[in-house]
Amino acid sequence: GDQVEQSPSALSLHEGTGSALRCNFTTTMRAVQWFQQNSRGSLINLFYLASGTKENGRLKSTFNSKESYSTLHIRDAQLEDSGTYFCAAGTGGNNKLTFGQGTVLSVIP
Amino acid sequence: DAGVTQTPRHEVAEKGQTIILKCEPVSGHNDLFWYRQTKIQGLELLSYFRSKSLMEDGGAFKDRFKAEMLNSSFSTLKIQPTEPKDSAVYLCASSPRTGNTEVFFGKGTRLTVV
Repeated sequence: GDQVEQSPSALSLHEGTGSALRCNFTTTMRAVQWFQQNSRGSLINLFYLASGTKENGRLKSTFNSKESYSTLHIRDAQLEDSGTYFCAAGTGGNNKLTFGQGTVLSVIP
Repeated sequence: DAGVTQTPRHEVAEKGQTIILKCEPVSGHNDLFWYRQTKIQGLELLSYFRSKSLMEDGGAFKDRFKAEMLNSSFSTLKIQPTEPKDSAVYLCASSPRTGNTEVFFGKGTRLTVV
């Protein structure tokens, strides 16, 4: 079955507002990555977390391995934040990633 | 600092043809992965190499898909023969070492099989 459940599947934000994306894991994950896929299809690395919280500009991510979830918070959304966001996580001692189904984010003026 | 390089960026093949996709991982990286992305299935792992050794060849993708890593700086993914359902974006990725480390992706090859 699916190991990574990502929500919401789609999200619209007005410029300047914020929201959170979430991934729930059905099995114990050792680390999580968040990516933004832009209009050209490139997967851009946003965060890598083995635990705890990281922040980068208007983005913040948390990984709680005990409770099996990770979140990505976006604040003060800008038009260039539009794209598809993926979480991906690994279970074992290798870097094979299982991906969520993605969140399509549309930032509107 | 070169990232993961994939060629070609776009490929159009006729059904039944053989195509070869190429990937150069980040220099010095130990692990290499091939993924396939479709709208319906999302991102799926095809193959995984550790130090050039094939660790996983993606089960359901075995029969017509063959990934090889002839040296630490070059990998190929051969699809033979191609079918229309193979139309997808094929992504190559690498990571510095085995274990929990960050994975970096190339820009992908968009394959269309007609």
